[in-house]
Amino acid sequence: KAGVTQTPRYLIKTRGQQVTLSCSPISGHRSVSWYQQTPGQGLQFLFEYFSETQRNKGNFPGRFSGRQFSNSRSEMNVSTLELGDSALYLCASSLDGRGKLFFGSGTQLSVL
Amino acid sequence: KQEVTQIPAALSVPEGENLVLNCSFTDSAIYNLQWFRQDPGKGLTSLLLIQSSQREQTSGRLNASLDKSSGRSTLYIAASQPGDSATYLCAVRLAGANSKLTFGKGITLSVRP
Repeated sequence: KAGVTQTPRYLIKTRGQQVTLSCSPISGHRSVSWYQQTPGQGLQFLFEYFSETQRNKGNFPGRFSGRQFSNSRSEMNVSTLELGDSALYLCASSLDGRGKLFFGSGTQLSVL
Repeated sequence: KQEVTQIPAALSVPEGENLVLNCSFTDSAIYNLQWFRQDPGKGLTSLLLIQSSQREQTSGRLNASLDKSSGRSTLYIAASQPGDSATYLCAVRLAGANSKLTFGKGITLSVRP
């Protein structure tokens, strides 16, 4: 059974640009959640989608948005990139959003 | 607001030692607690999940315990090996609909050969 797949693995962008990250969950998992990880703040919750609906949202500005498609794949978008957005972005999937989480390898975003 | 604390931030032990990693949380009305392992630059791997009604879970050399009343969980690693070197994070989910997972900042473990 394939794990959680995140693409791309690495991204380099400049300030002001926008970026889209992709996440394919484990087959059958309907919940996808996104996290930002930085050395200073640790892992912070961005949002969770379940059956195409955003079910929960963390304390991030509106520049961070996401969506989930009917096949449960999810995308995360960050507009008007800032230097502080440089981080490892992790996606996780689970069957129902409350049980065991399975993480992808992440997308390392560098904003120059 | 749930806060999850893991102290110390780093730990170095000789190979073969049994060790305990601690996790504390402020709100005891939890749904479940998970322990994860993270290798540098990689995603997280779930090690153990404990439901709020459970006291402990075991997998191989790992044993996780949960004491809701005191707001604490421990991850016990028996006979540590260099391959156990990684960052260990605990995460707590509160009870209630659509609750999010709150992570501690992790403990970076180094097992010396």
